[in-house]
Amino acid sequence: SQTIHQWPATLVQPVGSPLSLECTVEGTSNPNLYWYRQAAGRGLQLLFYSVGIGQISSEVPQNLSASRPQDRQFILSSKKLLLSDSGFYLCAWSVSGTVNTEAFFGQGTRLTVV
Amino acid sequence: GENVEQHPSTLSVQEGDSAVIKCTYSDSASNYFPWYKQELGKGPQLIIDIRSNVGEKKDQRIAVTLNKTAKHFSLHITETQPEDSAVYFCAPGGSARQLTFGSGTQLTVLP
Repeated sequence: SQTIHQWPATLVQPVGSPLSLECTVEGTSNPNLYWYRQAAGRGLQLLFYSVGIGQISSEVPQNLSASRPQDRQFILSSKKLLLSDSGFYLCAWSVSGTVNTEAFFGQGTRLTVV
Repeated sequence: GENVEQHPSTLSVQEGDSAVIKCTYSDSASNYFPWYKQELGKGPQLIIDIRSNVGEKKDQRIAVTLNKTAKHFSLHITETQPEDSAVYFCAPGGSARQLTFGSGTQLTVLP
């Protein structure tokens, strides 16, 4: 069966520090991968999505970047965090080739920038 | 890309009453219509979905209805219980490469 791992679960980082959040998927090949941010516990803002290794699409200009060094690994990074980067970050995957299928989410990372 | 609108943004119901959340989409190529439930501090999880060749689907107390002509689909929860309190998202699948979620509905079931 397929599983998705996302870590860490919580993170407190000072302004200006770097960030690296990791997400890995097991039990499937060539998944679509997504990073979302959720502020104020409501809307899901799509940050990045990837349809394959090295293929990253950015949805909004921001202080963050994403990479997909391996088929089932998706990393969210920042060189220097801002206070506005605080939020709940979610990684998700879906079957490749279509959005007409279920999305599976990780448990999320609560990031607080202080 | 897909434009998705979800209403209402907040909904409070008495325990035992019904709740209805509506999702409107723009992409006529959409043929997959899921609803996700997100409990506090967790990632969203699929609770029910429907494909465009079906008008309605039920799973115990929850149901989804689809009106492809009007481009909207709705989540119905009957006999609501406190554990139904959560944020609900629609995410109609279309011709875009990325998933598009509605803005979410905070459902509160009052005891």
